[in-house]
Amino acid sequence: DAGVIQSPRHEVTEMGQEVTLRCKPISGHNSLFWYRQTMMRGLELLIYFNNNVPIDDSGMPEDRFSAKMPNASFSTLKIQPSEPRDSAVYFCASCAGQGGQPQHFGDGTRLSIL
Amino acid sequence: GNSVTQMEGPVTLSEEAFLTINCTYTATGYPSLFWYVQYPGEGLQLLLKATKADDKGSNKGFEATYRKETTSFHLEKGSVQVSDSAVYFCALSDPRRNTDKLIFGTGTRLQVFP
Repeated sequence: DAGVIQSPRHEVTEMGQEVTLRCKPISGHNSLFWYRQTMMRGLELLIYFNNNVPIDDSGMPEDRFSAKMPNASFSTLKIQPSEPRDSAVYFCASCAGQGGQPQHFGDGTRLSIL
Repeated sequence: GNSVTQMEGPVTLSEEAFLTINCTYTATGYPSLFWYVQYPGEGLQLLLKATKADDKGSNKGFEATYRKETTSFHLEKGSVQVSDSAVYFCALSDPRRNTDKLIFGTGTRLQVFP
């Protein structure tokens, strides 16, 4: 079975540019999570969707960040405008949404903002 | 609130040594408990899980027992290999209803030398 698929794997762009990260969850999973990982702050939950609806976006750092889930098989995380402090590895994860289930992670997008 | 506390790393061991990584938690209700492993350049992978008190999760020679009386879920392996070098995360499911969020510890880096 295909796991969680993220694209791109690497992104390097200049500050001020718009960045869009993409995620395809595991088929049949109805919960989706976006995380950010840095050396300084560790693993942070940014936003959590259930059945395509945002449930908890309290981790989204500021208005420059937005996330959408237009259907059960696709989600995007957008940063506009990007800043050097946004440089991190961004992970998407999904789970079956039955309570107490493990999350399955993608391989992440390594984002560098110059 | 709910939280997970892991021992700080790095943990440095010689090959074939015994491994323990401590994890304790604070939670209301009855959470499920997980250990995840992150190899360099990759996403988090589920290593093992336990869903109720006294359950033992095991995988790839790693074990952890859900101890409700001590609120612990320590990770152990009898003989580590160089290939076990990675970051290990303890996590618990939020026991509130209708949420699939996981609460992660800060991670413990394991370095195994030949």
